[in-house]
Amino acid sequence: EDQVTQSPEALRLQEGESSSLNCSYTVSGLRGLFWYRQDPGKGPEFLFTLYSAGEEKEKERLKATLTKKESFLHITAPKPEDSATYLCAVGGYNKLIFGAGTRLAVHP
Amino acid sequence: DSGVTQTPKHLITATGQRVTLRCSPRSGDLSVYWYQQSLDQGLQFLIQYYNGEERAKGNILERFSAQQFPDLHSELNLSSLELGDSALYFCASSAGTSGDLTDTQYFGPGTRLTVL
Repeated sequence: EDQVTQSPEALRLQEGESSSLNCSYTVSGLRGLFWYRQDPGKGPEFLFTLYSAGEEKEKERLKATLTKKESFLHITAPKPEDSATYLCAVGGYNKLIFGAGTRLAVHP
Repeated sequence: DSGVTQTPKHLITATGQRVTLRCSPRSGDLSVYWYQQSLDQGLQFLIQYYNGEERAKGNILERFSAQQFPDLHSELNLSSLELGDSALYFCASSAGTSGDLTDTQYFGPGTRLTVL
C-alpha cells in the first residue's frame, strides 16, 4: 500500500539549533518528491522537488535530500520565522500522496 | 503570493445546503487541482482538471463535483453538506504541459468552509 510518513509530528528548536525532518515513503514508481511549507490557515508554499535518489536541493537555511526510501529536510541555524508545518508529498503514476506534516516551532 | 486566487475566503452554511468555491489559476497554467484539508485527515487530493477536462480523481465524494471553464478558472461544487465537510479547501495550479499529477503545484490561499 502506498504510504507517506513524516516524523517527528512536532519539533521544537531553539534559534540556531540545526535539525532534520524525515519523510519516509512506500510508493511504487516514484515520479517526484515534493516539500512544502504551510503557515496556519494558509495554502502550502512550494519549496523543492526531488526526482531521483542522491539528489539534493538547497534554499537559504533549508536543504532537501532524497534516498530510495526517504527524504530529509535539513534546517541549518533556524530562525523563528522558519516556524511552520512542513509537508512532504510523494508522486507516483497518477497519484500524489501527502504526509501529515511536521509542525516546527523555533524559539528565540 | 502564489498567483492562484480563491473565493470566497470564508463560507458559513447549514447542513443540507449547496455551495460553490471558485479558483483562478496562475496566468498560463492549464492544470487545476482541488484539495480538502481537515484536522484529522490532512491534505487530501480531490480532483484535477487539465485544459478543461478531468485528468485525475482522488478521494472525491459523489456529492462533490468540479469543472474547469474555457478561461481556465475552476469551480468546486459541494452539495448536501454535512458537518464533516467543514474544512479548508485549496486549489492549486501547475504549468506542466503534460497535465501530470506530479507537476509542481502552486497553492491558493484556500476557502474555509464551516457547516453548522
